[in-house]
Amino acid sequence: QVHLVQSGGGVVQPGRSLRLSCAVSGFTFSSYGIHWVRQAPGKGLEWVAGISYDGSSEYYVDIVRGRFTISRDTSKNTLYLQMNSLRAEDTAVYYCARDAVPLRFYGVLTDLNADYWGQGTLVTVSS
Amino acid sequence: QSVLTQPPSASGTPGQRVTISCSGSSSNIGNNNVNWYQQLPGAAPKLLIYSSNQRPSGVPDRFSGSKSGTSASLAINGLQSEDEADYYCAAWDDSLDGAVFGGGTQLTVL
Repeated sequence: QVHLVQSGGGVVQPGRSLRLSCAVSGFTFSSYGIHWVRQAPGKGLEWVAGISYDGSSEYYVDIVRGRFTISRDTSKNTLYLQMNSLRAEDTAVYYCARDAVPLRFYGVLTDLNADYWGQGTLVTVSS
Repeated sequence: QSVLTQPPSASGTPGQRVTISCSGSSSNIGNNNVNWYQQLPGAAPKLLIYSSNQRPSGVPDRFSGSKSGTSASLAINGLQSEDEADYYCAAWDDSLDGAVFGGGTQLTVL
């Protein structure tokens, strides 16, 4: 059974940092790329970042590039999203999601075909 | 303003066929796979269609997808009350080097 269990959300002041975690089980973590997708309150889905199965490629939406860092720890079967210099507009429910295709060619992740999702974690940026 | 354009709402009666459109450009839909997600209230998104017209196992064949040029569409045949949800299209954008979603379509079953 594939599971993605998220943790690390909460309330944080503008300008501060927060790290989200996504612990996976039920599949070979090192074979799959992972995405982060967020949803602001009452708004639509927004893709935030993605990392290839081997960690060789990282992708970010422009508005978080340079502030957010996606990483993975194969020894812990865990994906992270380090979020620095947080802004009010980063307030959202954040989801991690597994790429459906294992071992993508050349380690690229140029598709948002995500078949399993975490439960979501709320990040609120407010003073 | 989303990169992919969807109608904000759609509706139909039980048993009807409903289609939801998704319009993009050559840098996203025109050159890449389109995926569709269903999001029920308070839940995480669920993959409904991948690679423009493929259904994951467990998704009823009432749901189908198609793509032509820089546009895609999701069709739901035999509409059921449990289909009431938000639907999103998504694709990779080569110019942005990232994924993009449509703004979402709220489907109401009358």
